[in-house]
Amino acid sequence: SYVLTQPPSVSVAPGQTATITCGGNNIGTKSVHWYQQKPGQAPVLVVYHDSDRPSGIPERFSGSNSGDTATLIISRVEAGDEADYYCQVWDSSSDHDYVFGTGTKVTVL
Amino acid sequence: QVQLQESGPGLVKPSQTLSLTCGISGDSVSSKSATWNWIRQSPWRGLEWLGRTYYRSKWYNDSAVHVKSRIIINPDTSNNQFSLQLSSVTPEDTAVYFCARVGSTGTTVFDYWGQGILVTVAS
Repeated sequence: SYVLTQPPSVSVAPGQTATITCGGNNIGTKSVHWYQQKPGQAPVLVVYHDSDRPSGIPERFSGSNSGDTATLIISRVEAGDEADYYCQVWDSSSDHDYVFGTGTKVTVL
Repeated sequence: QVQLQESGPGLVKPSQTLSLTCGISGDSVSSKSATWNWIRQSPWRGLEWLGRTYYRSKWYNDSAVHVKSRIIINPDTSNNQFSLQLSSVTPEDTAVYFCARVGSTGTTVFDYWGQGILVTVAS
């Protein structure tokens, strides 16, 4: 089963940059998507296909993917960015086909 | 704008069947490009894909290996919705259940989600 590993938490001061990693075996060969989830709400897509942004998502959100690590970067962090963030890929060899990361809680100090 | 809305009982007894429905607006369950998915979230298992239904000249269903023997996902074209049935539930099936769309053939991203519904398995 394919496993995606994220750090449990990241803390960042307003205006600074938050970097969230997603580790998986040869994840660079897969298409990675990122979701933001605030308490009591459904996940919202913030980056897809490694580095594309849906309409309405600020340019402050960007992504990259290479080797065994995909990365979500949030630049000029704002208080409203405080949330849980999840990476996701599709893996046909996995028990679940669609695999989610373990999630990272971003805290804005 | 696509909107999804889950509905169903919030409490299910152990060994019984969990039944939920996802209503769709702004798209069609019979779309030849979208897939319609059930995903759940719990503190012990995180976000977990359960299965999907989709139409490509005929109806198809896929599900996660660990629930394959217990899950049924059906489209309802008359009401533009799809359903989830999960049988023989245990307290470990307690979770927030989401329905979600993958919008285009060849993509693997969930672009629209329902708000989620908490289902508790308890006697």
